[in-house]
Amino acid sequence: AQSVSQHNHHVILSEAASLELGCNYSYGGTVNLFWYVQYPGQHLQLLLKYFSGDPLVKGIKGFEAEFIKSKFSFNLRKPSVQWSDTAEYFCAKNQGGKLIFGQGTELSVKP
Amino acid sequence: GAGVSQTPSNKVTEKGKYVELRCDPISGHTALYWYRQSLGQGPEFLIYFQGTGAADDSGLPNDRFFAVRPEGSVSTLKIQRTERGDSAVYLCASSFSPGTNNEQFFGPGTRLTVL
Repeated sequence: AQSVSQHNHHVILSEAASLELGCNYSYGGTVNLFWYVQYPGQHLQLLLKYFSGDPLVKGIKGFEAEFIKSKFSFNLRKPSVQWSDTAEYFCAKNQGGKLIFGQGTELSVKP
Repeated sequence: GAGVSQTPSNKVTEKGKYVELRCDPISGHTALYWYRQSLGQGPEFLIYFQGTGAADDSGLPNDRFFAVRPEGSVSTLKIQRTERGDSAVYLCASSFSPGTNNEQFFGPGTRLTVL
């Protein structure tokens, strides 16, 4: 079965620090990868997605992710986080139409 | 509506009871998905519909779980003989069409608590 792993369960950063959240996916099938974010009290929202082409994908709110095929990774990055980035972040892979999610990473940004 | 809506937002029931959870997708979206999210975990796929038919129900945990989408729009997830382990947030999502590169838009979820 396909799987997605997120290694960081909880990350705590100060404002203006750089962010990198890890995501690894299992081999197999078409590679369609997503990062979703869930702000406190809100529903899941799409940050960015990768289907093909340029492996560096830019999303909303200054986030980007790099697809590295040789490492089966799709890490999320942001050069300078803000307090408003406090949320839970989920990496996901599309398998035959359904999304396979990682366990999630809770990000807390201290003002 | 503007987004995916789910009702009720919270449901508390007793072990052994029957519950129905409703999802109203974005207008015009043909694909509808159900996921379940337990505390501290990512969402887990349950079932998805293309139109009125279930295209993939491989995530339904057992035969106590059933979902319908009779007119290709609103969907209902039905859970019989609820157990405490069914307690979770049930998420619904929809997309314009099924497929691996279509964005799924999520609703706010229904928090189910089985006492």
